[in-house]
Amino acid sequence: GAGVSQSPSNKVTEKGKDVELRCDPISGHTALYWYRQRLGQGLEFLIYFQGNSAPDKSGLPSDRFSAERTGESVSTLTIQRTQQEDSAVYLCASSRTGGGSNQPQHFGDGTRLSIL
Amino acid sequence: AQSVTQPDIHITVSEGASLELRCNYSYGATPYLFWYVQSPGQGLQLLLKYFSGDTLVQGIKGFEAEFKRSQSSFNLRKPSVHWSDAAEYFCAVSPTSGTYKYIFGTGTRLKVLA
Repeated sequence: GAGVSQSPSNKVTEKGKDVELRCDPISGHTALYWYRQRLGQGLEFLIYFQGNSAPDKSGLPSDRFSAERTGESVSTLTIQRTQQEDSAVYLCASSRTGGGSNQPQHFGDGTRLSIL
Repeated sequence: AQSVTQPDIHITVSEGASLELRCNYSYGATPYLFWYVQSPGQGLQLLLKYFSGDTLVQGIKGFEAEFKRSQSSFNLRKPSVHWSDAAEYFCAVSPTSGTYKYIFGTGTRLKVLA
């Protein structure tokens, strides 16, 4: 597609429920990134995919968080047993390549997640 | 430790005035440098990037930034601010080899007075 697409744009759910956030990267972009942005703060790295593999999951805050990518395209970030501190905007980005290349990351508009 | 500092959390300028947003980084070697802008409810849009060469880089929307190696700085400037420039601005760095992670500053929120 023309840009990075994320869905849903907004998600409100009750504490303890599971949520799935979706990211469609720019076609042909092999690298995909997930970030979390808490209110009034900068971006916190969560996970990076190169193709369908995730060489770095070090930013995932707990084992309640997981992510997968299929077909070197769509990625899903899953949060199980949501907690109120999970409330944030989750941003996805993609780039043509990863690994320190000079290809900039292109961001989606994010999913605003609110845990009641 | 690698870090990016944006010392100004909020900046307010009058429309038509000049703007400078500061960014300092701490890194083992000169990284790739980026400025992004985020309007409310939207993702980040790339304004400009520095990889190598000319230390003054031009970006979109009339923005420019100057890389100063001696000061480890990459400040963003605009000669005349427009009301539509009100947004949050993020500086980011990325290594030139090895890993791929961006390190973001905490952002500067720009308010423009009519």
